[in-house]
Amino acid sequence: ELKVEQNPLFLSMQEGKNYTIYCNYSTTSDRLYWYRQDPGKSLESLFVLLSNGAVKQEGRLMASLDTKARLSTLHITAAVHDLSATYFCAVDWNTDKLIFGTGTRLQVFP
Amino acid sequence: GAVVSQHPSRVICKSGTSVKIECRSLDFQATTMFWYRQFPKQSLMLMATSNEGSKATYEQGVEKDKFLINHASLTLSTLTVTSAHPEDSSFYICSGLEGNQPQHFGDGTRLSIL
Repeated sequence: ELKVEQNPLFLSMQEGKNYTIYCNYSTTSDRLYWYRQDPGKSLESLFVLLSNGAVKQEGRLMASLDTKARLSTLHITAAVHDLSATYFCAVDWNTDKLIFGTGTRLQVFP
Repeated sequence: GAVVSQHPSRVICKSGTSVKIECRSLDFQATTMFWYRQFPKQSLMLMATSNEGSKATYEQGVEKDKFLINHASLTLSTLTVTSAHPEDSSFYICSGLEGNQPQHFGDGTRLSIL
């Protein structure tokens, strides 16, 4: 059974600080995704990581993938309040099924 | 970009009624559609996978007689929650898949059963 775990589950951070969210998964996979979810809303796609060593950046967010370690990270640089949301990683498994991580609820305060 | 339209966005109904949720791919043909359920402050859980013209494949623990899925065309899948009860209250999200592209998610349906 594929398990996808994120940590931390909850992150409260001050504006301007840096932090990393970790996503561990238990079996091999071809793709890993990062999504953002605002309260009451559906998912917003952030990144698709397709290969070992892949790194993608968009604004203050940077995602990386280490398939050998079965680990992906989402790094937040100089956090701002607008980044407050819940972040999910998801692993593509068994013909396009997505298994979602537990989610990380991020709160950025002044 | 590819758009998936989900309707209704919110529904409130009495216990015992059936509720239908539609998921449409507006500008692409979704060979496969997925249905997810999300309880408050929890992650998304895959309920079922549907392929156009064939029976849906349900994940373990999901009652196929309770959650009826129909995928009659390449642009429309429906989820019917039959005889809904308060424990079925949740946020339901569909997604569409075209070929080898990433899934495109609908805006979700918040279902509240009184």
